[in-house]
Amino acid sequence: DIQMTQSPSSLSASVGDRVTITCRASQSISSYLNWYQQKPGTAPKLLIYAASSLQSGVPSRFSGSGSGTDFTLTISSLQPEDFATYYCQQSYSALTFGGGTKVEIE
Amino acid sequence: EVQLVESGGGLVQPGGSLRLSCAASGFIFSSYWMSWVRQAPGKGLEWVANINQDGSEKDYVDSVKGRFTISRDNAKNSLCLQMNSLRAEDTAVYYCARLKYSSSPTVAYFDYWGQGTLVTVSS
Repeated sequence: DIQMTQSPSSLSASVGDRVTITCRASQSISSYLNWYQQKPGTAPKLLIYAASSLQSGVPSRFSGSGSGTDFTLTISSLQPEDFATYYCQQSYSALTFGGGTKVEIE
Repeated sequence: EVQLVESGGGLVQPGGSLRLSCAASGFIFSSYWMSWVRQAPGKGLEWVANINQDGSEKDYVDSVKGRFTISRDNAKNSLCLQMNSLRAEDTAVYYCARLKYSSSPTVAYFDYWGQGTLVTVSS
């Protein structure tokens, strides 16, 4: 099974900060990597698919990069509505999620 | 507008059974793979099961194989998850999600989610 490891597990940041979240796969997954945002009490929302493709309707301050085993999600200028938990998910072999990164207000 | 509405959650004793349903609308249901994803209280996301467009292909996470069965009724635009031999560790919010495939490469991702239904396994 492919394991997905996110880092950090949590971070504190301020509005306007540039935030980077990392996701590492236990083996190469090419670009079979997606990112989701989840706010408390709500369902996850797709942000990025295929490592770097922005889902329709998602603000352009979100971007994704990487291939192989190492991937990043970047929020270029953190907004109040971006405080949430972020998950990566691979679909190279079965479907597995990372453990999540909680972005909190500093 | 795509809508996915789950129902059927509740409290069940260990060893018991429960059947979850998901009513889909706003898209051609029979054209998409569908999935169940769960989230234990305070924990991360875990994919549970997939089913293809006509129900001929099904896949499950190892921890539920032999206990859970995913099915669909395209005439009724509905997805189901039959859960038997439930364990405490199955306690979670269960989400119904649409599985989409991008082209070149064919990356699978969950593009729409329901609001979830809570399953609690406890005596």
